[in-house]
Amino acid sequence: GDSVTQMEGPVTLSEEAFLTINCTYTATGYPSLFWYVQYPGEGLQLLLKATKADDKGSNKGFEATYRKETTSFHLEKGSVQVSDSAVYFCALKFQAALIFGKGTTLSVSS
Amino acid sequence: EPEVTQTPSHQVTQMGQEVILRCVPISNHLYFYWYRQILGQKVEFLVSFYNNEISEKSEIFDDQFSVERPDGSNFTLKIRSTKLEDSAMYFCASSWDDRGNQPQHFGDGTRLSIL
Repeated sequence: GDSVTQMEGPVTLSEEAFLTINCTYTATGYPSLFWYVQYPGEGLQLLLKATKADDKGSNKGFEATYRKETTSFHLEKGSVQVSDSAVYFCALKFQAALIFGKGTTLSVSS
Repeated sequence: EPEVTQTPSHQVTQMGQEVILRCVPISNHLYFYWYRQILGQKVEFLVSFYNNEISEKSEIFDDQFSVERPDGSNFTLKIRSTKLEDSAMYFCASSWDDRGNQPQHFGDGTRLSIL
């Protein structure tokens, strides 16, 4: 069945470091892809999305490109801040249901 | 910015008891969803709801679960006879459309603890 695999965390970085969180997916068709973020004590917030191959989603300095050839949607940010500390979830969607990865915890220290 | 709101934030219930989790979706949204996250595991889809009926459900959503939109604003998830393994964070979500490219907007969740 359809699934999403994310890199294991936690990821620990210093402020202003470069961030990559890997995400690959398995799907029978061409889903839409999403990154959600969960800050401590809060719900899931949409960070960015891409709906077709080669689309780049971006928001708040984060970017991810829909790569059909490698079935990937890696999340990147050039310079992380302490306030980016959160759990990041990659997800795919065909119709109603979002299918999530396990989540990657990011911890940024000053 | 409009939000999905969930109540209560934490619910503690004895095993075997019924529990109702409540959600107020974003007002102009038409599609409603429940997900759950057992501690340390993935966020899992339970059910989607449109036009006063279930449009899709997962294997997890068995006869112990039901959903309802009792009025124009609330969307509820009922668990009839809770089990220890129902302990999880339950998230409500809503969207304007259920096409693949439409994002879902989530509430902050209800933490359900079964004793």
